Amino acid sequence: SAVISQKPSRDICQRGTSLTIQCQVDSQVTMMFWYRQQPGQSLTLIATANQGSEATYESGFVIDKFPISRPNLTFSTLTVSNMSPEDSSIYLCSVWQGASYEQYFGPGTRLTVT
Amino acid sequence: SQQGEEDPQALSIQEGENATMNCSYKTSINNLQWYRQNSGRGLVHLILIRSNEREKHSGRLRVTLDTSKKSSSLLITASRAADTASYFCATDSGGSNYKLTFGKGTLLTVNP
Repeated sequence: SAVISQKPSRDICQRGTSLTIQCQVDSQVTMMFWYRQQPGQSLTLIATANQGSEATYESGFVIDKFPISRPNLTFSTLTVSNMSPEDSSIYLCSVWQGASYEQYFGPGTRLTVT
Repeated sequence: SQQGEEDPQALSIQEGENATMNCSYKTSINNLQWYRQNSGRGLVHLILIRSNEREKHSGRLRVTLDTSKKSSSLLITASRAADTASYFCATDSGGSNYKLTFGKGTLLTVNP
């Protein structure tokens, strides 16, 4: 399976600011996804990061709030913009390599907004 | 909306006992995957079972899938304190749609 890293692992941010989370994979992958896990909850898909084109967002998530980039097949970023305390969550990237349907996850970024 | 519902929501057992967690889903699936999450960290992939499979084993893990009942179970045998974690099921509908829809998860506590 791919080795996935995320930066930062955690951060405490002030309301109204933005944070960019990086996801790096050690091999080229077909698809990359971003998920949010609110405190005590399960995971919800934010968007599919498309290489070389705009991300595909799920219902309830918009590009202005969660801009995503994927400049190549091993790297993606998620920005959480104009943060509020409700954005406090764990943000996880996942990858799908194409050999099977298994998806693998990064270690997550724990964000606290004060 | 959540596709899967795990039960129980929380399970507490003694070391050495078996733990069984269940997952139900609502729509047709292509695959179902089980993940483990320790203390709010990243998800560890445990096992994938395809819709045309009924049972799968991996070490101390046994997964079953009943597509007629839209349900799956994860059995951990001879549990250890290190198995303490949250367990999630996730489904995909296949085709070109590889998005995962997660259940609510089961918090398993294994007491030494």
